[in-house]
Formats: sequence, structure tokens, C-alpha cells
Amino acid sequence: DGGITQSPKYLFRKEGQNVTLSCEQNLNHDAMYWYRQDPGQGLRLIYYSQIVNDFQKGDIAEGYSVSREKKESFPLTVTSAQKNPTAFYLCASSRSDRGEEKLFFGSGTQLSVL
Amino acid sequence: GESVGLHLPTLSVQEGDNSIINCAYSNSASDYFIWYKQESGKGPQFIIDIRSNMDKRQGQRVTVLLNKTVKHLSLQIAATQPGDSAVYFCAEMVGTGGGADGLTFGKGTHLIIQP
Repeated sequence: DGGITQSPKYLFRKEGQNVTLSCEQNLNHDAMYWYRQDPGQGLRLIYYSQIVNDFQKGDIAEGYSVSREKKESFPLTVTSAQKNPTAFYLCASSRSDRGEEKLFFGSGTQLSVL
Repeated sequence: GESVGLHLPTLSVQEGDNSIINCAYSNSASDYFIWYKQESGKGPQFIIDIRSNMDKRQGQRVTVLLNKTVKHLSLQIAATQPGDSAVYFCAEMVGTGGGADGLTFGKGTHLIIQP
């Protein structure tokens, strides 16, 4: 999967619980992204980060939080405020140079609610 | 994300035949397009991309065609194989100066290869 590792592959969340999805990349990419994928829908951007210690909200950031303390790591926390968290979550990275828009994806985490 | 869509949600072709997957976009300012392949339970894999200064680009067994007049993108896969069975989706963006946060993704077409 292009040097991007997501874990765990499957995750279950209880009511009111926060859960954290891990994403690590060894591609030396500056930019990292989190997408949500629901059946029959296109990928939707949750958060992205173009540089360490900085990140921006995407289209559907409510109920999620992220951190970018290291270039290689971009964990996503699904908080209890996210009322419909069941989805396939994809982490991606890219170079941030001009003309570099190609995304490299991890293998995904399926999050389900118990 | 609704500006990028596909004409057929499912496409079934015979093994060995050529397949064509279509994608329509509505933002005439989009100047970068990309196709991904996603197998069940896995992350998307890059197939091929094209910029708006081109109308055709070829890869290994794949060709992307861009028709800016009618805002249409297609992916042609030659001599389809069982391993080509997957969901294929396109994405578009207006070039910004780097990074992919402006990519808008289509919903995907499920390609089924019949033996």
C-alpha cells in the first residue's frame, strides 16, 4: 500500500467512546489526509495536514480530531460527538510540491459501532 | 463532491474484452484528473492521471481520454483480466500549487469480469 500503514484494520466503538485510528507513512511526504468512505459515496475529506504541527479541516471535520506531531504520523480520533461513525476510513499522503497531487492510500480501517 | 460522477454504477465485461469506464465532471476549471482502482476491503491504488493540457495518456493496458468540450473523462482497460475486477473511481481538481486537498472524488463504477 505504498508505504502507508493504517491500524487497526477493524475497530469497534461503544456508545460515548473516543477511538483513535493510526496512520504512519515512510514515504517522506509532507502532506497527509484522512478520508471517510461510505457505501455508494465518493471519498470525503475529514482533515488534512500539509506540514508538521499544522492541520486543516476538510469537508466533514465535525466529530473528529487529529494531531501531527511527527512527519510520519497523522492519527485520527473519532470522538463521541460523531453520531454516525460507522464507515471505512482511509489515510493518504502526498508530496506538497507544486504539481504533485497524486495521493497514496493506506489499506483502511473499518470502524463499526457496537 | 457531486460534480464528479459516473454514468454506470456496475459494468460487466467478458475476460479478454476491452472495458471503458466513464466519468463526467461539471467544473470547467478542473485541470487535473486521476483514476483509482479499489479492491474490496483495500485502499485505492493509483492507476493513471492526466492534466488538462492533454487529451490522451497511456499506461500499461490502460488509456485515459479527456474531452474538455463535454467535460468527460474515460478509462479504457485493454484485454481485461480477472484481477481487474474492482471499483474504479475518478477524481478532479483545480491545480493549486501542490497537495491534494482539492481533489473531488466520484462515487465509483464496479467493474465485473466474467470468465
